[in-house]
Amino acid sequence: EDQVTQSPEALRLQEGESSSLNCSYTVSGLRGLFWYRQDPGKGPEFLFTLYSAGEEKEKERLKATLTKKESFLHITAPKPEDSATYLCAVQAGHAGNMLTFGGGTRLMVKP
Amino acid sequence: GAVVSQHPSWVICKSGTSVKIECRSLDFQATTMFWYRQFPKQSLMLMATSNEGSKATYEQGVEKDKFLINHASLTLSTLTVTSAHPEDSSFYICSARIGLANTYEQYFGPGTRLTVT
Repeated sequence: EDQVTQSPEALRLQEGESSSLNCSYTVSGLRGLFWYRQDPGKGPEFLFTLYSAGEEKEKERLKATLTKKESFLHITAPKPEDSATYLCAVQAGHAGNMLTFGGGTRLMVKP
Repeated sequence: GAVVSQHPSWVICKSGTSVKIECRSLDFQATTMFWYRQFPKQSLMLMATSNEGSKATYEQGVEKDKFLINHASLTLSTLTVTSAHPEDSSFYICSARIGLANTYEQYFGPGTRLTVT
């Protein structure tokens, strides 16, 4: 059974305090790992797709990395507007188009 | 690019009535669309997968007769909650997959807040 676990569940940072969010996964035949950002009352916003171990992608203050067992979302010098829930999801080769989501990490950045 | 819209953004209905939610891919053709349900402070729960022109595939525990899905075109899917009850109140989100080979990203709509009184 495919599983995705995100940690921590919640994270409070001061503005400028860099940190990382973790996404551990167990999946048979990883097709892709996805990071999304979700603001309250809104749908998830696509951030990154990672396909193979060693791959890295960056967007502004965010950088996503992937190993064979986990992915990290690094947030460098976060700002209050980075506050949101960050969701990790995997797509397995046997699962068609279905995504398996983790529980998310609620990030709060205080000014 | 890759914009998905939903309509309405919120709806309040009386118990026993039916509600239709539309999901549209605005600037791409979506071979596959998905419907999710999300409870407060919880992650997304996949309800069903729909492919254009064919019947939707429902996840275990999701009532087919209660949540009717129609994927009429490559840019439109609808979810109809029939005979809605208060326990159907939730945040419903659709997503769409771009129909390109080796591209697996799903883009999500803004969600529809359903409240059944």
